[in-house]
Amino acid sequence: DQQVKQNSPSLSVQEGRISILNCDYTNSMFDYFLWYKKYPAEGPTFLISISSIKDKNEDGRFTVFLNKSAKHLSLHIVPSQPGDSAVYFCAAGAGATNKLIFGTGTLLAVQP
Amino acid sequence: ETGVTQSPTHLIKTRGQQVTLRCSSQSGHNTVSWYQQALGQGPQFIFQYYREEENGRGNFPPRFSGLQFPNYSSELNVNALELDDSALYLCASSWGQGPEQYFGPGTRLTVT
Repeated sequence: DQQVKQNSPSLSVQEGRISILNCDYTNSMFDYFLWYKKYPAEGPTFLISISSIKDKNEDGRFTVFLNKSAKHLSLHIVPSQPGDSAVYFCAAGAGATNKLIFGTGTLLAVQP
Repeated sequence: ETGVTQSPTHLIKTRGQQVTLRCSSQSGHNTVSWYQQALGQGPQFIFQYYREEENGRGNFPPRFSGLQFPNYSSELNVNALELDDSALYLCASSWGQGPEQYFGPGTRLTVT
């Protein structure tokens, strides 16, 4: 049972345009969500998080939107840059154990 | 500020052997979590250590065990290695019960 799903294995975007990465979840007990970026041969790098009590969080070029009724979140990157090309993972957690449940990732390719 | 470090980078073991992987947490962090990432998948939570005690465990058999030391560094031990244990093993550190976890570069384990 996959509680966090990223249904798009890959996404290609032109430099300067918006990248939108999507994530769906099934467990209504999740109370925080995070996005990580991963380059080959490196560990995931934390990008941005959002608490379940909010519907938007912004940090520079990165904005995360949370729609609790639809159990859906998205990461917007504006403007996209070639250095953003990486695998993006959505993760969710609940309670005090800090156990993160990850999606399977979306490979973003930003074309110059 | 020192980030999360892991050793070794790569490791090749034979089925049935035992392995120990090591992790040093980011300075100021007292919580360490371990994840297994198989090819094409998102990281899967193995367990977490907080103040030297196990604080949550994922769906992994008892042959996966761990330790956390007073300086908050940690070890992951896997006994009776199986071919399916071949994966990237990631360590992440965090402060207390905060949701944001910071990952090391991982150890690539190959079991032949």
